[in-house]
Amino acid sequence: KAGVTQTPRYLIKTRGQQVTLSCSPISGHRSVSWYQQTPGQGLQFLFEYFSETQRNKGNFPGRFSGRQFSNSRSEMNVSTLELGDSALYLCASSADGREGAKNIQYFGAGTRLSVL
Amino acid sequence: AQKITQTQPGMFVQEKEAVTLDCTYDTSDPSYGLFWYKQPSSGEMIFLIYQGSYDQQNATEGRYSLNFQKARKSANLVISASQLGDSAMYFCAMRESRGGADGLTFGKGTHLIIQP
Repeated sequence: KAGVTQTPRYLIKTRGQQVTLSCSPISGHRSVSWYQQTPGQGLQFLFEYFSETQRNKGNFPGRFSGRQFSNSRSEMNVSTLELGDSALYLCASSADGREGAKNIQYFGAGTRLSVL
Repeated sequence: AQKITQTQPGMFVQEKEAVTLDCTYDTSDPSYGLFWYKQPSSGEMIFLIYQGSYDQQNATEGRYSLNFQKARKSANLVISASQLGDSAMYFCAMRESRGGADGLTFGKGTHLIIQP
């Protein structure tokens, strides 16, 4: 079974631009979550989608948005990029659609975004 | 206050020795899950092991075991017979049932280096 696939693996953008990252979950998984990883802040939760609906959201500005398609693939968009948005963006999928503690998330290799 | 604390920023261990990575957590939710992930330099987060707050026995997965001490709010990862390929960042994470809106909460990680 193929794992979580994130594209592209690397991106270089300039301040003020916008960017879209893509995530294909493990086949059969319906929940997709996004995380931002930086050296300073560590791993932080962005949002979670389930059945095309945003179910949970972390503490990020509105410039960060996402969506999920009917095939469970998800995209994340960051508008008006800032230097501080440089990070590794990780996508995770899980099979268990229920909210709750046991919801094992399987991660992709991430998209490394550099904002110049 | 930090919900997940990993007090060992880095560790050097000789190959074939056992390793214990520390993790303490803070929650008032009676139902929660604890996770350990491994992140090699490639960036992908690899799920290792899960422990539920109501699980009576410590979780084990091959060479990985989780030393769960609920009263101490401790969930240490034990790797038996370490291998060179175990060199990576290791993250402890928690998901609360009631507060699942925040996704997974991660610790700052421990950088483990296995020496031959």
